[in-house]
Amino acid sequence: AQKITQTQPGMFVQEKEAVTLDCTYDTSDPSYGLFWYKQPSSGEMIFLIYQGSYDQQNATEGRYSLNFQKARKSANLVISASQLGDSAMYFCAMFRPSTLNTPLVFGKGTRLSVIA
Amino acid sequence: EAGVVQSPRYKIIEKKQPVAFWCNPISGHNTLYWYRQNLGQGPELLIRYENEEAVDDSQLPKDRFSAERLKGVDSTLKIQPAELGDSAVYLCASSLYLGASGNETQYFGPGTRLLVL
Repeated sequence: AQKITQTQPGMFVQEKEAVTLDCTYDTSDPSYGLFWYKQPSSGEMIFLIYQGSYDQQNATEGRYSLNFQKARKSANLVISASQLGDSAMYFCAMFRPSTLNTPLVFGKGTRLSVIA
Repeated sequence: EAGVVQSPRYKIIEKKQPVAFWCNPISGHNTLYWYRQNLGQGPELLIRYENEEAVDDSQLPKDRFSAERLKGVDSTLKIQPAELGDSAVYLCASSLYLGASGNETQYFGPGTRLLVL
């Protein structure tokens, strides 16, 4: 069974600094994908970044980058130059692309608070 | 391009009352998901549709929950009767199947916050 673990219930970061949100996963499938979503207080889940298990390079999307360490089964999200608008819940999620339209398995999330 | 649309955004009902949520996915997305998110938790799948067919409803409490996607586009999730423990955020997501090796990103709607009193 797939499992996602986010060990940080809450994180604080100073505005303009970088922050790393941890995510570890457990799966026996060789093919899988990892996602990070942002959920502000409005409730919508906003897609941030994707990493495929066979991708050779770590994914980057603007200020977001994914520190993918396959051997350690970790997929940490790095946010550079934090902004006040980054304050939100962040969820790590996994799916198996080899299975048709599988649901995402989510972690419990990390609440990030950016301090001015 | 319009995102996933959900309504209502908020709903407060008394226990034992029925309630329904509506979702319109992103145009062209063949797969639609309903998730439930309890307070302090990540979303958990309730049901998944491929076009109009429910291909995974193993987590749907079928004694009180029902869902439909009659024309393979928009979908309705219903609870009857609602219980106190049903208070949660109900999220709808959609995606486009890209094949076994594809990056199949699920896009979420704003959710419906349900409070059962």
